[in-house]
Amino acid sequence: DAKTTQPPSMDCAEGRAANLPCNHSTISGNEYVYWYRQIHSQGPQYIIHGLKNNETNEMASLIITEDRKSSTLILPHATLRDTAVYYCIVRAPGSARQLTFGSGTQLTVLP
Amino acid sequence: DGGITQSPKYLFRKEGQNVTLSCEQNLNHDAMYWYRQDPGQGLRLIYYSQIVNDFQKGDIAEGYSVSREKKESFPLTVTSAQKNPTAFYLCASSDGLAGVEVEQYFGPGTRLTVT
Repeated sequence: DAKTTQPPSMDCAEGRAANLPCNHSTISGNEYVYWYRQIHSQGPQYIIHGLKNNETNEMASLIITEDRKSSTLILPHATLRDTAVYYCIVRAPGSARQLTFGSGTQLTVLP
Repeated sequence: DGGITQSPKYLFRKEGQNVTLSCEQNLNHDAMYWYRQDPGQGLRLIYYSQIVNDFQKGDIAEGYSVSREKKESFPLTVTSAQKNPTAFYLCASSDGLAGVEVEQYFGPGTRLTVT
């Protein structure tokens, strides 16, 4: 699975959009980009995933560059409850594949 | 109300004792996983199971053992051979459909402290 690079921390004002970047320059053609988040002392929560098209769900939007070497997770209107560590994970499809978590980005939403 | 339950949330043990962490899921998922998380770090895979009565070692299996006698249950035993057992343990499951990209669902975790 491709390696990912994320900034260790970011701040965002409450009500503003939070844009979390992820670099995955060695991504292969069949690898998906996944985003999870982990609120302190809880289990990680799935947010969104995509292959090459931009994706949107009730939680967030995922923007993947045309060359697929980087992506951005967008939380359109961040709230204090969005404060968490956000993990960007790249992996190939297949059943029962483990997720390789890096250190992620600590997002702090400020009041 | 479907999901993954882990119990207990906090567990304290003396060094040299084996301890078993519980993980139950009612999502009818085939695959289950155990991860370990140390402070300020990402998750590391201990063991995973794709189907009942089958499991494979992950990256850090030494000092741990698992069983998968039922689809809904995947208990983890932390043995006295595990050198640094104090950590946050997370159980997850996924629908093991071959070739289909699926997300993993995580339990709330068990924080184990060994003194």
